[in-house]
Amino acid sequence: QVHLVQSGAEVMKPGASVKVSCKASGYTFTNYDINWVRQATGQGLEWMGWMNPNSGNTGYAQKFQGRVTMTRNTSISTAYMELSSLRSEDTAVYYCARSDFGAESRFDYWGQGTLVTVSS
Amino acid sequence: DTQMTQSPSSLSASVGDRVTITCRASQSIISYLNWYQQKPGKAPKLLIYAASTLQSGVPSRFSGSGSGTDFTLTISSLQPEDFATYYCQQSYNGRTFGQGTKVEFK
Repeated sequence: QVHLVQSGAEVMKPGASVKVSCKASGYTFTNYDINWVRQATGQGLEWMGWMNPNSGNTGYAQKFQGRVTMTRNTSISTAYMELSSLRSEDTAVYYCARSDFGAESRFDYWGQGTLVTVSS
Repeated sequence: DTQMTQSPSSLSASVGDRVTITCRASQSIISYLNWYQQKPGKAPKLLIYAASTLQSGVPSRFSGSGSGTDFTLTISSLQPEDFATYYCQQSYNGRTFGQGTKVEFK
């Protein structure tokens, strides 16, 4: 069965960077994109971008361009999302989600979420 | 970017009610529209993809319709486990979620 297991909660200072991991199992890691979606407390879902684990190609939402970097280590089937220049508004639960390719894609499996708290 | 607008933002319903949630895109997204259910403290769960295809394992009381800019999620007979927040999401032009619709107990 497919599982996406994320790293634990983080507390960060404003201006710092955070790196969240997402370890995939139960399928061929390079056959599906990994997306990152965040959710501030009591708010809706916000898509941040995608990464193709096979090629390493990425696509970021305009809001996060220049501040987010998505990478992977295929040898351990793990994807990473790094967000820099953190501010209080980045406090949220960050999810990784698997999707197939192209316009027909959908987020069919999700990680459990990682709470990132930005506070001085 | 394609904006997604859901209505209503919240609704109150009883077990057995028929519930309809709408989602409107700011431009045509053909049929590249997915629906998710989220319960408090949990990750979202895929219900419907490509506007009307039921994800495996999802009860048949859930259905989706629409194309172009206007889409609908219908729950034919609301069950206690269906009280949750529902999100639409387009995959035609980047990826964008609607703001969510909370289904509450009446």
